[in-house]
Order: sequence, then C-alpha cells, then structure tokens
Amino acid sequence: LAKTTQPISMDSYEGQEVNITCSHNNIATNDYITWYQQFPSQGPRFIIQGYKTKVTNEVASLFIPADRKSSTLSLPRVSLSDTAVYYCLVGLLWGGSQGNLIFGKGTKLSVKP
Amino acid sequence: DTEVTQTPKHLVMGMTNKKSLKCEQHMGHRAMYWYKQKAKKPPELMFVYSYEKLSINESVPSRFSPECPNSSLLNLHLHALQPEDSALYLCASSPILAGGAKNIQYFGAGTRLSVL
Repeated sequence: LAKTTQPISMDSYEGQEVNITCSHNNIATNDYITWYQQFPSQGPRFIIQGYKTKVTNEVASLFIPADRKSSTLSLPRVSLSDTAVYYCLVGLLWGGSQGNLIFGKGTKLSVKP
Repeated sequence: DTEVTQTPKHLVMGMTNKKSLKCEQHMGHRAMYWYKQKAKKPPELMFVYSYEKLSINESVPSRFSPECPNSSLLNLHLHALQPEDSALYLCASSPILAGGAKNIQYFGAGTRLSVL
C-alpha cells in the first residue's frame, strides 16, 4: 500500500513558481501518481497524472525521477487563485472488500500578493 | 459535460430524520464514489460502485445506506445520524474502477450536512 507524505503547508507570492514534492517510497510498479486541487467547500479537481519522467499540461508539470519514490508538482507563475490544498495520490489498491483510494493530508498552498 | 451534480447543496437534519443525498453524472462513467470530508481533513472514502454494484464499503455505519439505481445516479440515504456525522459529503465518478489513467475522478461540489 503506497502511502504519501507531503509538506503540510507552503507559502508563495504571486508570479513565483511553486514546487510541491510528494514522497511515496513504496510505490508499486503499476501505480500512477495523480494530483488534485481542492478549494474550500468544493470537491477536489484533477490537475495532472503521470507514471514516469515528466508530464506537462496547461496548468502544471509533474516531475517523476527514475526511482519513482517521489514526485514534484510544479505550478508556474502562481496567482492568488491558486491558493488551495493540493493532494498527491499514488496507486489504486483494490483487494476484495478492502480496497482503498487514499487521500493523504495534502499541502495547503497560500499565495500572497 | 464533465460535471457531477450533487443535491442538495446544504442539508440540516435532526437525529431522528431520514434524508437522502443525490448525485448525478452524464459522462458515461461506470464507477461512482461517496466520500466524507470533515473540516480541514482530507476526503475519506465511504462507498464505491462499479457498474451499479456495490464494490467497496469502507466499514461505514449502517445509518448510511448507498443506492445506485442506474449508471447515472447515486444516492446516499441517511437515517438516525449523529452530530459527529456533520461533514461535507462528496460524490465522484470515474470512467471505470481501475488503476492508472482510467481512474481520474471527477468530483461534485458536495453536500454540506449538519446534524442537530
């Protein structure tokens, strides 16, 4: 069961690049890494997903080293509206009646003007 | 349409009431989920449906009763709840129940439940 560890909180200023790292030391061979963003009183929103190396979309990049024991979400030029909680999820363990889709504690990003 | 719609947005109920939460998606997804989220905590998985069949029950108390009447609808029936059940209840869907890229979840905005 791949568990994740992220910093509890991060602060940044508008226009800066923000990198949030997630540790997942016991990631399994078939596991993907998925990041979600959540604003207060809203459901999480999918940001990006990857398996290895680098993935980029219109909102973020995801860097995954060769050993896949960690991953880094990169948000370029953040704005105040990027203030949210960011969750890293790894894998999807399904096993009979005890499968889990685990949200870790997440990283609360605060962007200041 | 990549939307998951949850109703009602807010619900206040007494401990003796019976109420239901509703979730709807029209993306053709065949996996649907209920999560519970307390303030400043991550979402906790409650139930998972795959092809309208209950696949996972995360040891949720029987006062919460899920139902999936068809591939687009998911209900959560509530009865004799406790004040500690007050939380944001989130519904999500994904194309199928599987690992990897096929399991990107789309979440609704949630129902804010208060139990008095």
